[in-house]
Amino acid sequence: DAGVTQSPTHLIKTRGQQVTLRCSPISGHKSVSWYQQVLGQGPQFIFQYYEKEERGRGNFPDRFSARQFPNYSSELNVNALLLGDSALYLCASSLGRGGGNTIYFGEGSWLTVV
Amino acid sequence: QKEVEQDPGPLSVPEGAIVSLNCTYSNSAFQYFMWYRQYSRKGPELLMYTYSSGNKEDGRFTAQVDKSSKYISLFIRDSQPSDSATYLCAILMNSGYSTLTFGKGTMLLVSP
Repeated sequence: DAGVTQSPTHLIKTRGQQVTLRCSPISGHKSVSWYQQVLGQGPQFIFQYYEKEERGRGNFPDRFSARQFPNYSSELNVNALLLGDSALYLCASSLGRGGGNTIYFGEGSWLTVV
Repeated sequence: QKEVEQDPGPLSVPEGAIVSLNCTYSNSAFQYFMWYRQYSRKGPELLMYTYSSGNKEDGRFTAQVDKSSKYISLFIRDSQPSDSATYLCAILMNSGYSTLTFGKGTMLLVSP
């Protein structure tokens, strides 16, 4: 079975532009979460979606938004990009949304803002 | 005080050594404990997952949780150069949401 898949793997954007990152969860998983990992730090939680509804949001500005589709895939959008948005963006999936569910990560999308 | 503290290292050991990686946490509401391994420029890979105090073993890896001290450890026996990676401890609460709180990660270097 395929794991969590993310696209694109690498991209370079200019300050002020907008970016869309995509994620397909493991087959059968209904929960998708997004994390931002800046170099030298652990991942930071951005959003969790379960059954197409936002279930949790981390401490990120409104420039960050996301959605989940009927097939449980998800998109993360970031508007008005800043240099500080340069990071590895990770998608994670789990079967359910509660604490007893194992969480698996994709390989991530490397975003560089210049 | 950060919710999860982890020494960033790097930790350098010779091949075959026993490695001890540690994290402390501050919130007693944390109930589930995970260790992820992350190779350079790759996504985190789940190694161990436990929710109770005590030890859990899987091959060369042992995860240890002490809830009374808010201290978690990962032991790697017979370390190999292929174990060279960053090890992230991740913790989450027993809530309705699967939101992980990570440490900074410890970089491990195993030399042949």
